[in-house]
Amino acid sequence: DAGITQSPRYKITETGRQVTLMCHQTWSHSYMFWYRQDLGHGLRLIYYSAAADITDKGEVPDGYVVSRSKTENFPLTLESATRSQTSVYFCATTGDYNSPLHFGNGTRLTVT
Amino acid sequence: DQQVKQNSPSLSVQEGRISILNCDYTNSMFDYFLWYKKYPAEGPTFLISISSIKDKNEDGRFTVFLNKSAKHLSLHIVPSQPGDSAVYFCAASDPSNTGKLIFGQGTTLQVKP
Repeated sequence: DAGITQSPRYKITETGRQVTLMCHQTWSHSYMFWYRQDLGHGLRLIYYSAAADITDKGEVPDGYVVSRSKTENFPLTLESATRSQTSVYFCATTGDYNSPLHFGNGTRLTVT
Repeated sequence: DQQVKQNSPSLSVQEGRISILNCDYTNSMFDYFLWYKKYPAEGPTFLISISSIKDKNEDGRFTVFLNKSAKHLSLHIVPSQPGDSAVYFCAASDPSNTGKLIFGQGTTLQVKP
């Protein structure tokens, strides 16, 4: 189906482990984003990408790594997970910088 | 520092009445604003937007008002329905033309039957 999908939907991992969250979109949109949602903070931007092989930091990038070798995929990696990275992670995309973002359904990550 | 603020964490209204959700921003360079609605276990979905060249935009039961001098916008829902119960996020488009959105903390709306 067309759209934006995130996997896994739920993930439990231990402190210090590496974990990768996947995001895939079928629209061939140029722009992709990773946000985290935390109570009291709303949605905060982690990383974004304007096109394949172009990525840039957002508001809260520390502890995260992204790559974008293909337009449709934008994985987010936590290199060494910490409890403070327990959150709900949303991937989003848009075809134009002046158009609304379309969000995936999120990944709920728990770091124990 | 939070550039987009929603100071009311929650709001409860009766079905059929008006819901008013508020949002303040600090950056006078913001020129495009959006409201998103979020149900539990789903991603945010776009609801309505407004450009700074307008002071009002209407779409069915939803109206967004923008007061640039006060750096304030509001979302009006009339009449409110139980299905409107959700978290509402206000967002501003980053002026750098990168597509980035800067979100407020969200307001949880409960519409009681």
